[in-house]
Amino acid sequence: DGGITQSPKYLFRKEGQNVTLSCEQNLNHDAMYWYRQDPGQGLRLIYYSQIVNDFQKGDIAEGYSVSREKKESFPLTVTSAQKNPTAFYLCASSKGHGYEQYFGPGTRLTVT
Amino acid sequence: EDQVTQSPEALRLQEGESSSLNCSYTVSGLRGLFWYRQDPGKGPEFLFTLYSAGEEKEKERLKATLTKKESFLHITAPKPEDSATYLCAVQDNNQGGKLIFGQGTELSVKP
Repeated sequence: DGGITQSPKYLFRKEGQNVTLSCEQNLNHDAMYWYRQDPGQGLRLIYYSQIVNDFQKGDIAEGYSVSREKKESFPLTVTSAQKNPTAFYLCASSKGHGYEQYFGPGTRLTVT
Repeated sequence: EDQVTQSPEALRLQEGESSSLNCSYTVSGLRGLFWYRQDPGKGPEFLFTLYSAGEEKEKERLKATLTKKESFLHITAPKPEDSATYLCAVQDNNQGGKLIFGQGTELSVKP
């Protein structure tokens, strides 16, 4: 079964701790993306990668970091510098620019 | 600045009552317009891509259309299982692969 997996589904952390969200895809897609979704707001782009070993900042990259060492994997680290980390995080992938993006099931992060 | 506005924010329909959702957009150069369905607590599910004005796509009770300034998602004879939030997004030719999303329309279909 081809698709995108994100783990865990729910994640709880204390303030001041870094946390890494996992995203894996077996669709053989070149491009991968991370979005954040908050109540009453549209999805906002955090980081994206169009090819292995390369990534670009999105609209709200501050306080986040990513890596793209393998085509299948695009983990997101939420650092202690992110002021409002509690949110629903969505990972997506696509064949590339101009193609539709397919989303994973999401990770809901709660930081207290 | 690229912008996407969806209306209405929420829509309540009776089963069988057809209606339309609107997505107005402003981009310097449209690469594509995308419609997604999102159920509570889940990731968005891809529905359609539209690339040029006049284009139409259909899937079951849903039909998406595109003009130079807006897109409509027409829902014909909806059923309760069509209840979800519908998201519209645009991709700008000059912004790499990023999608600009609207805030969504929350659709509720009552039996």
